[in-house]
This record gives sequence, C-alpha cells and structure tokens, in this order.
Amino acid sequence: SQKIEQNSEALNIQEGKTATLTCNYTNYSPAYLQWYRQDPGRGPVFLLLIRENEKEKRKERLKVTFDTTLKQSLFHITASQPADSATYLCALANTGNQFYFGTGTSLTVIP
Amino acid sequence: EAGVAQSPRYKIIEKRQSVAFWCNPISGHATLYWYQQILGQGPKLLIQFQNNGVVDDSQLPKDRFSAERLKGVDSTLKIQPAKLEDSAVYLCASNNRGTGNTIYFGEGSWLTVV
Repeated sequence: SQKIEQNSEALNIQEGKTATLTCNYTNYSPAYLQWYRQDPGRGPVFLLLIRENEKEKRKERLKVTFDTTLKQSLFHITASQPADSATYLCALANTGNQFYFGTGTSLTVIP
Repeated sequence: EAGVAQSPRYKIIEKRQSVAFWCNPISGHATLYWYQQILGQGPKLLIQFQNNGVVDDSQLPKDRFSAERLKGVDSTLKIQPAKLEDSAVYLCASNNRGTGNTIYFGEGSWLTVV
C-alpha cells in the first residue's frame, strides 16, 4: 500500500525566515498532490494543488514543488509569520479522487 | 455557502458501547469521505462514497464500523462495539468534481472511549 511520510520532527523557525516542509511517498503514482493546513481542533483546510506534470506552483507566500522521479514534494512558506504556525499535511490523490494523507508536520514560527 | 456539518462535536463512551456520527456535506457535493485521525497522525481514509454508492472502504474495520449514505446526501458512521483504540477525531469531507479537486472538511467529531 502507499506510504506517505512528512518531516517526523516538529519544525521551529524564526519569523521572517523560509519554512520548508517535505513530503515523500512510495508505492504510489498520484495524479496530483495537495497541501493542507490544520489548526488545533479544526478540520484540514486546502492550500495548494500541484499536478503530476507540473514542477512548481506558487500562491502568495506559498510555493510547492513536485518531483515524481524522487517521489517528493517540498512546501515552502516564505517570510513566515507566527500566524503560519499550524500542522501541514500533504495528500496524494488519484484520478478517482481518493485522497491519502501524510503524517503531518507541526510548524511553529517564533516571533 | 454552508460548510460540511458534523455532529456530535464531542462524545465520550465506554468500551463496548456504540456510537454514531452524522455528516451533512456541502450542498451538491457528490463525493463524501469519512476519515479517522488519531492524535498526532494524519487523517486515514475509512470510506468514500460517490452519491450513495461506496467507492472505497478498504480501510474500514467492517467487523465494528459501518457507514451509509442514504439518498446520496447525509451520511452516518457507526461504531459498534467501540474499542479503546477507536479514540480519535472522525472527519467528514466532501468534494465535487465541478468545483475542482479540493476536498472540504468538517470540524470533526471527537470520540473518547474509556
């Protein structure tokens, strides 16, 4: 079955720096990959989608890269702010819209 | 537009008891998902419905979990009998191809089995 791994350790960074989160997967060829944000006690919220034939996507301070050869996606938050502190989840999806989530990475931005 | 509604928000039961969670997806969304999220882990897909048909229930523990989506709208997830390891947040989500590939989550139903 597919295996999706994210940074196992929580990530603490200084405000204003760039946060980089990693998502690695095996035994799967997704049609697209998504990133979600989850705040404590809340459901995940969609941030960005990148398709298998795309290398990079940007949205405001967010950037996602997708390397299907390495089976890896990187998620960057530039000029990070304390309000960016949350858990970030990557999700792989096939053409049947079945979504499989990674373990999540907890990000804390220190003022 | 109203989001995905779930109830109850919190539930505490004793092991071997039963519990049911209800979900009302976003209006018009044909696809409905139930996920289980154990503290500190990512959401795990339990079951996916397309209208009132099951697309994927390969990770649903069918000896104790059941789900239905009558009339292709609301859905109910039931656990009977509950075990201690069922303590988790049960997230309902919905999606409609017409709105792209985003899935929209509810706030979740928190279950504690004691």
